[in-house]
Amino acid sequence: NAGVTQTPKFQVLKTGQSMTLQCAQDMNHNSMYWYRQDPGMGLRLIYYSASEGTTDKGEVPNGYNVSRLNKREFSLRLESAAPSQTSVYFCASSRQGASYEQYFGPGTRLTVT
Amino acid sequence: GNSVTQMEGPVTLSEEAFLTINCTYTATGYPSLFWYVQYPGEGLQLLLKATKADDKGSNKGFEATYRKETTSFHLEKGSVQVSDSAVYFCALSGEDSSYKLIFGSGTRLLVRP
Repeated sequence: NAGVTQTPKFQVLKTGQSMTLQCAQDMNHNSMYWYRQDPGMGLRLIYYSASEGTTDKGEVPNGYNVSRLNKREFSLRLESAAPSQTSVYFCASSRQGASYEQYFGPGTRLTVT
Repeated sequence: GNSVTQMEGPVTLSEEAFLTINCTYTATGYPSLFWYVQYPGEGLQLLLKATKADDKGSNKGFEATYRKETTSFHLEKGSVQVSDSAVYFCALSGEDSSYKLIFGSGTRLLVRP
């Protein structure tokens, strides 16, 4: 029972490089989310997908793009990485909407030099 | 807009001590309230929730009561264990945007034997 999986676990990028963080869930959830976690700031929502085929901006979307590839998968892309994007990124899913329990992946620790 | 304020940590307690972590919120209407816990090196997991005023959420000996009059959702446990050492996040999902969870900054709890 995998739940929410994320790849990679760790990544180091140089400024200006691009990369895609992958996320998949096997719980048949409709809603998926991408957060970033920075020290002393809790988690901040980057983008979310209420259901397959839709995506919306969260609190801190600048510098990121997302794709809801199908019901299971929701990827996050950094087109031109900046040091300010050094963070831990979490993917989450829920049955439908934030009032339902969100299940989190183990996170990706990204460093941009 | 909606916001969550948590007491700053770290909170250091001896095993079997009583725990309170304060959480207050600002929101319009009647949000749902949550406590999530993050163990070292892991993603967040739901600890408990409450969806309406005066509801009490409980799980694993932890409790929190939704107090609309004081806009609070304080987390309590009567006797903490070393295994409770983690970071605790208070969060809300508001009526105005049911797909967004707003997190507090987190409170680190360290329980010593």
